[in-house]
Amino acid sequence: GAVVSQHPSRVICKSGTSVKIECRSLDFQATTMFWYRQFPKQSLMLMATSNEGSKATYEQGVEKDKFLINHASLTLSTLTVTSAHPEDSSFYICSARPQTAYEQYFGPGTRLTVT
Amino acid sequence: QKEVEQNSGPLSVPEGAIASLNCTYSDRVSQSFFWYRQYSGKSPELIMSIYSNGDKEDGRFTAQLNKASQYVSLLIRDSQPSDSATYLCAVNIRNAGNMLTFGGGTRLMVKP
Repeated sequence: GAVVSQHPSRVICKSGTSVKIECRSLDFQATTMFWYRQFPKQSLMLMATSNEGSKATYEQGVEKDKFLINHASLTLSTLTVTSAHPEDSSFYICSARPQTAYEQYFGPGTRLTVT
Repeated sequence: QKEVEQNSGPLSVPEGAIASLNCTYSDRVSQSFFWYRQYSGKSPELIMSIYSNGDKEDGRFTAQLNKASQYVSLLIRDSQPSDSATYLCAVNIRNAGNMLTFGGGTRLMVKP
C-alpha cells in the first residue's frame, strides 16, 4: 500500500515552454501533497505544500507564478513549470500524506531537462 | 539551530559492520519520527517509523528514540554494499504545522 505515482518520469522541453507534472496517490487519499526539487548531490528542497481544494503554500524564494500547483482532488496534484529555463532543470519529486498520518510517501520523481 | 540535524557524512563502514546514523531535533513535543532511504538518482523511500522511546527493530534495521535527549538514530546491522545510500531523518515539527521536517541526510558508503 501507500503508492504514489508521478508522470512523466522524464521530460525534455525547450526554453520558454511549460511542463505539467502529475502526482497521484494510488491507494490512499491525501489531504496534503508536497512538491520538492533536488539538484545533483544536494538535499531535498521543499517548494510548496498543497492542500486539496485550497491554494498552495509556497516556500520562501519559490515563485508561485512560475510553479503553478493545483490540488483538485484527494488523489491528484499537479505542478506546472511555466516559461521553463535551463536553470529549472532538476529532479522534481512529489509526496503525499495520508489523511490521518504524519508520514509522507514519495513519488518516483520527474527529471526535467530544459534545453 | 536547524530543526532537524544530521551529519552529512559520508559515513564509511566495511561490509558486515554496524552502521550508526544519528539525528537530533529541536521541537520537544515532536511525536513522530521517520527514516527514509534515498538511493542516488531516486526518490526517498520510507524504511522505519518510531513513536515511543526505546528501540524498534525491523530486520537488520533498528530505530532508537530518546525524547529526553531529542535524539533519534538508525542502526543497520550486517551492512551490505546495497545499503549505500543517503538516509534522511524526518520529524513532525509543531512550528511547521506538524508537517514533517527533513534533515539534510547522511550519506552512507558500505565498502566490500
